[in-house]
Amino acid sequence: QVTLRESGPALVKPTQTLTLTCTFSGFSLTTSGMCVSWIRQPPGKALEWLARIDWDNDKYYSTSLKTRLSVSKDTSKNQVVLTMTNMDPVDTATYFCARVMGCGSRGTSDYWGQGTLVTVSS
Amino acid sequence: DIQMTQSPSSLSASVGDRVTITCRASQSISTYLTWYQQKPGKAPKLLIYPASNLQSGVPSRFSGSGSGTDFTLTISGLQPEDFATYYCQQSYDTPYTFGQGTKLDIK
Repeated sequence: QVTLRESGPALVKPTQTLTLTCTFSGFSLTTSGMCVSWIRQPPGKALEWLARIDWDNDKYYSTSLKTRLSVSKDTSKNQVVLTMTNMDPVDTATYFCARVMGCGSRGTSDYWGQGTLVTVSS
Repeated sequence: DIQMTQSPSSLSASVGDRVTITCRASQSISTYLTWYQQKPGKAPKLLIYPASNLQSGVPSRFSGSGSGTDFTLTISGLQPEDFATYYCQQSYDTPYTFGQGTKLDIK
């Protein structure tokens, strides 16, 4: 049974760095073709893809946010960590992590976490 | 980046209706197109990938078609639980991109 859960602060101040952790079970990020993506959704708005980390540690980022994003993994803990620097109120959103099955062959996100709401405010 | 354009952005329909949502990519993405359904306060649910393959457990009233740049999601015989927001996403190339969503509500 595949599950993912996002954790991190609910409130961050402008200019701070956000660190979110995705803890998953039911699959391994050491398995070929397995990846984890991060996606966010501002209140009432559309989904926005942020980043992906692959089983072989390849990393991909949103073009508009790549200077602020970093993604890493700890396979021993089954965790993926997303950091976003220089947070701004426009970054207020629900942040999701999702498993990507078959990412080496253009697979899709089949399992998602419940999401965690991050508010950026002083 | 590949741009994904969905239409319409909102749609009102009645139970039993047949509705179609379209998604257009700014370049060819073959069939690497996913349709998600999202209800308020919930994570997106995978309905169809790639392009026309219904995921296990998804009712057969949902169907997808298309390849290249033009795709459609059709719901035949709307049920009350189908009123939600629908998103397309391409996984042809990173950065993966979503359409802006189509909100389907009850007429």
